[in-house]
Amino acid sequence: KQEVTQIPAALSVPEGENLVLNCSFTDSAIYNLQWFRQDPGKGLTSLLLIQSSQREQTSGRLNASLDKSSGRSTLYIAASQPGDSATYLCAVFSNDYKLSFGAGTTVTVRA
Amino acid sequence: DAGVIQSPRHEVTEMGQEVTLRCKPISGHNSLFWYRQTMMRGLELLIYFNNNVPIDDSGMPEDRFSAKMPNASFSTLKIQPSEPRDSAVYFCASSSLRGTNEKLFFGSGTQLSVL
Repeated sequence: KQEVTQIPAALSVPEGENLVLNCSFTDSAIYNLQWFRQDPGKGLTSLLLIQSSQREQTSGRLNASLDKSSGRSTLYIAASQPGDSATYLCAVFSNDYKLSFGAGTTVTVRA
Repeated sequence: DAGVIQSPRHEVTEMGQEVTLRCKPISGHNSLFWYRQTMMRGLELLIYFNNNVPIDDSGMPEDRFSAKMPNASFSTLKIQPSEPRDSAVYFCASSSLRGTNEKLFFGSGTQLSVL
């Protein structure tokens, strides 16, 4: 069974600092990995999807890397802003067609 | 497109009552997922449908839970009878999944409280 772990569980940084969020997974037989953002009381919004054949994906200030062989992904958010405060979840789509989520990292960006 | 639409947004009911949650996926998406989110257990996949057919319901906690997808634009998740431990946020999500690299789109969720 795929296990997805996110460390740290919570992170607080001053505005302008770069954010680094980590995700690890136990089974490298995956199709893709997605990073989601969840605001309080809301659903999840997909931020980036990295295919298993890719090493990274970028969207604006967001960059996600994938090292499938070591079972790791990192989400970088450059020049953080208070509006980046949210919970970030990674999800792994495995070869058994199941999407497994981590518990998330709750980010607070202080103005 | 309006995105994935769930109703109701909030549901408060008493133990033993039947609860029905509704979902309208994004038009054109052929896969639909029901998730449950709690602080203790995070996001759990309950069931997913592909082309209106249930593919994997191994996450459905017990026989009190049932899900249907009568057509491509509508799905229900029913709990009968409901129990306090069913209190959670229930999310519906859809995807085109024509390949294996399609994003998943979530609804806003139904906050269920069983008293």
